[in-house]
Amino acid sequence: DAKTTQPPSMDCAEGRAANLPCNHSTISGNEYVYWYRQIHSQGPQYIIHGLKNNETNEMASLIITEDRKSSTLILPHATLRDTAVYYCIVTLLMDSWGKFQFGAGTQVVVTP
Amino acid sequence: GAVVSQHPSRVICKSGTSVKIECRSLDFQATTMFWYRQFPKQSLMLMATSNEGSKATYEQGVEKDKFLINHASLTLSTLTVTSAHPEDSSFYICSARGRQGTGYTFGSGTRLTVV
Repeated sequence: DAKTTQPPSMDCAEGRAANLPCNHSTISGNEYVYWYRQIHSQGPQYIIHGLKNNETNEMASLIITEDRKSSTLILPHATLRDTAVYYCIVTLLMDSWGKFQFGAGTQVVVTP
Repeated sequence: GAVVSQHPSRVICKSGTSVKIECRSLDFQATTMFWYRQFPKQSLMLMATSNEGSKATYEQGVEKDKFLINHASLTLSTLTVTSAHPEDSSFYICSARGRQGTGYTFGSGTRLTVV
């Protein structure tokens, strides 16, 4: 599975958009980009995933560059409850042995 | 949506004893389950992968005789920490993937403290 690189931390003001970058320059053509977050002492929570096209759901938007070497997770209106560690993961979806390997993630702190 | 239930949420045990952690998929059949360990202020580390009906595959450096994994059915996987020591104290998390391969759902984790 391709490795990912994320900034270790990021602060965001409540109500503002949070843009979380992720580099995955070694991604292969059939690998998906997943985003999860982990609030302190809880299991990771699914946010969004995509292959090539930009994706949007009720939680966030995922922007994937045309060369697929990087992506950005956008939380449109950050709230205090969005304070968490955000993980960008690249993996094969349909491979029965596809694993989720977590990197260090980005600690996002949303401040009032 | 897919729900994974993990039990217990917290457990304290004495050194030398064994502890079993259960991971259940409540509303879907999980062909593949994963077990992770997380130490304070660190990321999740994959320990092993189990597929229903076959033996678990352990990541390098994880002792298979110490961390026994059983994927007994399509809805249940168990992790048994045998002869626990204080250094095994950690946050253990399971995840499951359904047949459709639509993603991974994580349990809420188990905080193990070995005294």
